Amino acid sequence: DQQVKQNSPSLSVQEGRISILNCDYTNSMFDYFLWYKKYPAEGPTFLISISSIKDKNEDGRFTVFLNKSAKHLSLHIVPSQPGDSAVYFCAAPETTSGTYKYIFGTGTRLKVLA
Amino acid sequence: KAGVTQTPRYLIKTRGQQVTLSCSPISGHRSVSWYQQTPGQGLQFLFEYFSETQRNKGNFPGRFSGRQFSNSRSEMNVSTLELGDSALYLCASSLTLSGTGTYGYTFGSGTRLTVV
Repeated sequence: DQQVKQNSPSLSVQEGRISILNCDYTNSMFDYFLWYKKYPAEGPTFLISISSIKDKNEDGRFTVFLNKSAKHLSLHIVPSQPGDSAVYFCAAPETTSGTYKYIFGTGTRLKVLA
Repeated sequence: KAGVTQTPRYLIKTRGQQVTLSCSPISGHRSVSWYQQTPGQGLQFLFEYFSETQRNKGNFPGRFSGRQFSNSRSEMNVSTLELGDSALYLCASSLTLSGTGTYGYTFGSGTRLTVV
């Protein structure tokens, strides 16, 4: 079974600095890995994805890196802004007996200090 | 276009009761997945419906069930509620089965269920 771990439950960063959020998974898959952001009282919103055939995807201030040999993802936010304060979830695909779903990590709560 | 709509937003039930949660996906999305979020547990997959058929199921007891209608709207039912069922229940819709592809799922705001 796919396991997704976000080992840092929380992270505090000064405004303007880089935020790095990490995610480890156990099973390699040929598909997209996803990052979501969640504010209190709202559902998660899609942030950025990366195809398993790439090692980097950039979208504005957000860059996701994929290290396939280490089975590791990281999300970089540069520069960090107070509005980025939220819980971030990574998700990795899993196939079991021909069915497919995304497995989410437990999330990292990012706090950007003004 | 309208997003994923979940009703109700908040619900308080007592142990032993049953509850039904509703989800209306984005127009044109045929896949609806349900997740449970509890503190420290992340998002736990419950099940997915696509074209009115359950396509996938997570590791939850049979008290958790769902269905999907011909207009892709979905309902989730929990019977014989337990205190541990208190959680945020999120519905997610996607154009493709299981959210495959670049953009994955679009989530609703969730239903906060409290069991007392």
